[in-house]
Amino acid sequence: DTAVSQTPKYLVTQMGNDKSIKCEQNLGHDTMYWYKQDSKKFLKIMFSYNNKELIINETVPNRFSPKSPDKAHLNLHINSLELGDSAVYFCASSQGVGETQYFGPGTRLLVL
Amino acid sequence: GENVEQHPSTLSVQEGDSAVIKCTYSDSASNYFPWYKQELGKGPQLIIDIRSNVGEKKDQRIAVTLNKTAKHFSLHITETQPEDSAVYFCAASIQAYQLIWGAGTKLIIKP
Repeated sequence: DTAVSQTPKYLVTQMGNDKSIKCEQNLGHDTMYWYKQDSKKFLKIMFSYNNKELIINETVPNRFSPKSPDKAHLNLHINSLELGDSAVYFCASSQGVGETQYFGPGTRLLVL
Repeated sequence: GENVEQHPSTLSVQEGDSAVIKCTYSDSASNYFPWYKQELGKGPQLIIDIRSNVGEKKDQRIAVTLNKTAKHFSLHITETQPEDSAVYFCAASIQAYQLIWGAGTKLIIKP
């Protein structure tokens, strides 16, 4: 069983489009995260939800909107995609904030 | 706020030798220090962690040491093998608050 899963694994799209990435965890964790990893491998936290409530919202363009329908899911919707949005996006979950994080396999987004 | 610096950014060692990656943190209240390994095409995975009430922790060929006075912690890998090649991340957190990540170290094991 996959602990943290993301779909799709690859996403190639044109500038200006709107796209969504889905994340699900079956670990029973309370906290979920979205990270962006650029070509230099730096992991940048974007958002964190605890019990479906937004607790971390770093400096991210408002074109990015997370949605948590329940504790097991945290989706990421991106409007008006730009070239600079090209990166690998990781979802992660943890039992609580600041605890061990379990990462999904990543979604490789390429904006053309 | 907390800041974590990680060095070196790239480390190349001969197979069988030891590798050491160092991180420093700024907030003395930090009390949890995990290390993650990211293999090519995969998400980061926890390999070892240490809490502030412990100075050293070992798991087979991997060890982490913590110096609270100097506010730094290190990852030690002995008898390196080709499968140790990856990007390694350190992180630090204050209880019940978010992890702050280092910038990563690319470890290359030369045959």
